[in-house]
Amino acid sequence: DAMVIQNPRYQVTQFGKPVTLSCSQTLNHNVMYWYQQKSSQAPKLLFHYYDKDFNNEADTPDNFQSRRPNTSFCFLDIRSPGLGDAAMYLCATSEVGGETQYFGPGTRLLVL
Amino acid sequence: SQQGEEDPQALSIQEGENATMNCSYKTSINNLQWYRQNSGRGLVHLILIRSNEREKHSGRLRVTLDTSKKSSSLLITASRAADTASYFCATEGHFGNEKLTFGTGTRLTIIP
Repeated sequence: DAMVIQNPRYQVTQFGKPVTLSCSQTLNHNVMYWYQQKSSQAPKLLFHYYDKDFNNEADTPDNFQSRRPNTSFCFLDIRSPGLGDAAMYLCATSEVGGETQYFGPGTRLLVL
Repeated sequence: SQQGEEDPQALSIQEGENATMNCSYKTSINNLQWYRQNSGRGLVHLILIRSNEREKHSGRLRVTLDTSKKSSSLLITASRAADTASYFCATEGHFGNEKLTFGTGTRLTIIP
């Protein structure tokens, strides 16, 4: 089945230690999104790609970076995680012009 | 910010009863969507209603949209234990730029 896959499902890192979260998709969608969702809050868009065109949200901290080496894969890099970065990170995809987003299961990040 | 507000924040009902949750938003939209999120998982698209539509049905789901009041409601009829989840509304801006802004969510618990 076509899907959005996120690895790992749970990630523990230390304060200040760089961490990378990964997302892959078999839907062949051109648009990919990264959201941050803290406990009992709405998902918050961090950035998204139209193909290789990167679009950063104005309030996304510089600590967060992303890479998309090809259509299928997208990475979220947190350069120096702080305690406030502990959250669920959701990857999603959509077709260009598509209205529906397809989400992966998320990676829950814990910062010690 | 166009972030929507949902109410109630939490809702508990008996299995078989109907559940209604509401969403309000702030600016003009192209469409409004509802997503479900099971605990610790990604979001799943449920239904989309366009700005020129007033009501839409899908199985046990009924969505209404009142653009004059900038509000929407989601009705789940004949609730089941499996409907226990958080429900989020999400709006796509007027120009259809594909970014979604999510509401704060309603946590629905169905009591068997």
